[in-house]
Amino acid sequence: DGGITQSPKYLFRKEGQNVTLSCEQNLNHDAMYWYRQDPGQGLRLIYYSQIVNDFQKGDIAEGYSVSREKKESFPLTVTSAQKNPTAFYLCASSMAGTSSYNEQFFGPGTRLTVL
Amino acid sequence: KQEVTQIPAALSVPEGENLVLNCSFTDSAIYNLQWFRQDPGKGLTSLLLIQSSQREQTSGRLNASLDKSSGRSTLYIAASQPGDSATYLCAGPYSSASKIIFGSGTRLSIRP
Repeated sequence: DGGITQSPKYLFRKEGQNVTLSCEQNLNHDAMYWYRQDPGQGLRLIYYSQIVNDFQKGDIAEGYSVSREKKESFPLTVTSAQKNPTAFYLCASSMAGTSSYNEQFFGPGTRLTVL
Repeated sequence: KQEVTQIPAALSVPEGENLVLNCSFTDSAIYNLQWFRQDPGKGLTSLLLIQSSQREQTSGRLNASLDKSSGRSTLYIAASQPGDSATYLCAGPYSSASKIIFGSGTRLSIRP
């Protein structure tokens, strides 16, 4: 089955702790994205990557970090510098990141809660 | 600032009705547009993508249109069913390589 997987489904973080959210895709997509969703709001872009070993900040990158060492993987680290990290995190991918906009496909999400 | 607005924020209709969801952009220069469905606590499922050269797309009981001149898109759902209950989001980029911007969604409830 082709698709996007995210793990864990639920994650709890203590104050001052860094946590990493996993995102893996087997769709052979070039571009990958991380979004944050808060209740009653649309999605906000955290980081995106159009090619391996390259990524750009989105609208709300402060307190987050990413890496793109492999085409199929785009992990997101929520650092202690992110003061309000409780949210639903969604990973997405699309075929072409630069030449044209293609359909975005989403993973099932990770719900992060700060204790 | 480029924004995407979806009205109404919530909609409840009886089963069997045809309905229209609306999506509008502050800048009519939207490149293309994608409609998504989101069930509670789940990720987004792509429903329809209208490419820059197209005006509409159809899939089963769903039809989406895009009018770039007015900066508006509509999602038409025919013969609604309780299983259509979900939040529907629209999103699109303003150029072929720019990031996409999401609306906050319309929460749809179909009453049996």
